[in-house]
Amino acid sequence: EIVMTQSPATLSVSPGERVTLSCRASQSVSKNLAWYQQKPGQAPRLLIYGASTRATDIPARFSGSGSGTEFTLTISSLESEDFAVYYCQRYNNWPYTFGQGTKLEIK
Amino acid sequence: DVQLVESGGDLVQPGGSLRLSCAASGFTVSRDYMSWVRQAPGKGLEWVAFISFGTDTYYADSVKGRFTISRDHSKVYLQMNRLRGEDTAVYYCVRHLRLTAVIIDAFDLWGQGTVVTVSS
Repeated sequence: EIVMTQSPATLSVSPGERVTLSCRASQSVSKNLAWYQQKPGQAPRLLIYGASTRATDIPARFSGSGSGTEFTLTISSLESEDFAVYYCQRYNNWPYTFGQGTKLEIK
Repeated sequence: DVQLVESGGDLVQPGGSLRLSCAASGFTVSRDYMSWVRQAPGKGLEWVAFISFGTDTYYADSVKGRFTISRDHSKVYLQMNRLRGEDTAVYYCVRHLRLTAVIIDAFDLWGQGTVVTVSS
């Protein structure tokens, strides 16, 4: 089973800052990678699929990059509503697996 | 409105059974790939089960042989048997992303979740 590892586990940042989250796969997943945002008490929301394509209605400040085993999610200028937990998910084959998440908290 | 609404979560004893339902509105589940994803308290996300247009189903190793995913034209179900404490979680019904001519196995629509607690 392919293991997805996200880093860091927690990131303390200030509004307006640029932030980059990392996701690493234990084997190549090509570009079959998605990113989700989850706020407390809510279901996750799809942000990025195909490693770099923004989902419908996702603001342009969110961008994804990478392929193979190394992926990043970048938020160009953090807004207050972006403080949440972010998960990556690979979907190249079954079982689909998620990373353990990165929590963005306000510094 | 396009949405998914789960129901059926409950407190159940270890070894017991439960059937979760997921009602779709605004689209037809029989035309989409659907999955169940769960989240244990304070933990991350775990994909549980998948169903295609027809009869293709896939399961996480942790639930294989105990859980069964099925659907009719408007609902998706998750039959859970021989429940264990580690099955305690919020269970989300999710839709796979459909582009014009292809389905991507990322999840673009999530329900609000239903809580399953396995405890004596």
